[in-house]
Amino acid sequence: SQQGEEDPQALSIQEGENATMNCSYKTSINNLQWYRQNSGRGLVHLILIRSNEREKHSGRLRVTLDTSKKSSSLLITASRAADTASYFCATAPRGTYKYIFGTGTRLKVLA
Amino acid sequence: ETGVTQTPRHLVMGMTNKKSLKCEQHLGHNAMYWYKQSAKKPLELMFVYSLEERVENNSVPSRFSPECPNSSHLFLHLHTLQPEDSALYLCASSPQRESRDTQYFGPGTRLTVL
Repeated sequence: SQQGEEDPQALSIQEGENATMNCSYKTSINNLQWYRQNSGRGLVHLILIRSNEREKHSGRLRVTLDTSKKSSSLLITASRAADTASYFCATAPRGTYKYIFGTGTRLKVLA
Repeated sequence: ETGVTQTPRHLVMGMTNKKSLKCEQHLGHNAMYWYKQSAKKPLELMFVYSLEERVENNSVPSRFSPECPNSSHLFLHLHTLQPEDSALYLCASSPQRESRDTQYFGPGTRLTVL
C-alpha cells in the first residue's frame, strides 16, 4: 500500500443514502485533506483536518481522523446525484510540505 | 471556479512537436505546482515553485521543462514527448509552500501524445 490510499475504490449508492470513504496512510502527518474531482476536471478542496483534531464537519460532510490507526474517513450524508465524483485524500508527512494523493474512491450516486 | 486557470484544456500533439501548457492563478499565492494524473495512478507531483524559484523536481524527464516568470504564472514546456506522457496535467497553487496550506487546483489540461 502507499501513503494516502482510499477504500473502497468504487462505491455506488442511491440518492439520499450516506456514503463513507476511508483513507489509510503510513507515516505521521501534519494534516489530512479531502478533495473531490469531477470527471476529467481539477480537484476541489473539501475539508482539511489537522493531526490534533479528531472530527470535523462541513455541511453534509463529516471527516474523522484516527492518528493511532493512521486512518481517516469521509462521510457524505443524504447524498445527491451531484455528489457523483472521485474523492481523494491527501496527506503531508510530518516535516514535509509535499502532499501525497491516493488513487481515489469513485462515488456514483444514482437518482 | 478556484481562481486557477489552465490553457489549453485539451491538447493533442505528435512526438516531435513542441507545445506549452499555461497556468495562471489569481489568488496572490506564492507557491505553484505541476501534477500529472494518469489513469488509475495517484497524482504525481512533478515540480514545485516557491516565489518563482524551483524548489522541487521529482525526477521528471527533461522533455518536461517548467518556467515560472512570476508568482502568478507557471508554464510547462513540452518537447519530444512519448505516448505514455498522455495524461491530465494539473496546476495548483497555495499561499505558501507549507503543508498547512490548502492547494487550489486548476481544471487541468488533457494531453494526448500520438
